Amino acid sequence: NAGVTQTPKFQVLKTGQSMTLQCAQDMNHNSMYWYRQDPGMGLRLIYYSASEGTTDKGEVPNGYNVSRLNKREFSLRLESAAPSQTSVYFCASSTQGGLSNQPQHFGDGTRLSIL
Amino acid sequence: AQSVTQLGSHVSVSEGALVLLRCNYSSSVPPYLFWYVQYPNQGLQLLLKYTSAATLVKGINGFEAEFKKSETSFHLTKPSAHMSDAAEYFCAVRSQAGTALIFGKGTTLSVSS
Repeated sequence: NAGVTQTPKFQVLKTGQSMTLQCAQDMNHNSMYWYRQDPGMGLRLIYYSASEGTTDKGEVPNGYNVSRLNKREFSLRLESAAPSQTSVYFCASSTQGGLSNQPQHFGDGTRLSIL
Repeated sequence: AQSVTQLGSHVSVSEGALVLLRCNYSSSVPPYLFWYVQYPNQGLQLLLKYTSAATLVKGINGFEAEFKKSETSFHLTKPSAHMSDAAEYFCAVRSQAGTALIFGKGTTLSVSS
């Protein structure tokens, strides 16, 4: 079972470059999420998509855009990368958002360095 | 607003010793609580979740957590540590709007032989 698949696994960018992080899930989940993980900070929500066709900002959305391409895929775009965006990015999905106890399932992450 | 505090960024135990990782939460609504584990260079894996059906929750790999409403705590325990338990552990609470998870800053567990 693939679960949540993120590509690429590693990437090095120069300041000002753009790139798109890809995420796909094969669990027929409605909700998808993008987090960033920084040392000592835990995970912080960048954007989420409660269902196909909707996206909303999370805690740290500045400098990012997202696209919910279809039910399976949720991409994260950095239009003009900055060194402060050096981080590990995780995509997650869950059966549904809302007030439920359904857990989120995580991909293995994309390690992004911006020089 | 919901928040999570994990006490101790680093916990060290000997193999066979009790593991206790502390988590306190703040929530204005009945909380949905989770513990996740992250092994090096991997994503987060669900250990257990609080469903309100029982205050003592059993998870994978011998871990369990007890929900104490009066103490707003959801501490993670394991009776006997194994070397393979060395990892980073995150406590999380679902946000009030139900949109996502709010994570603590994590506790790194080291296990020595």
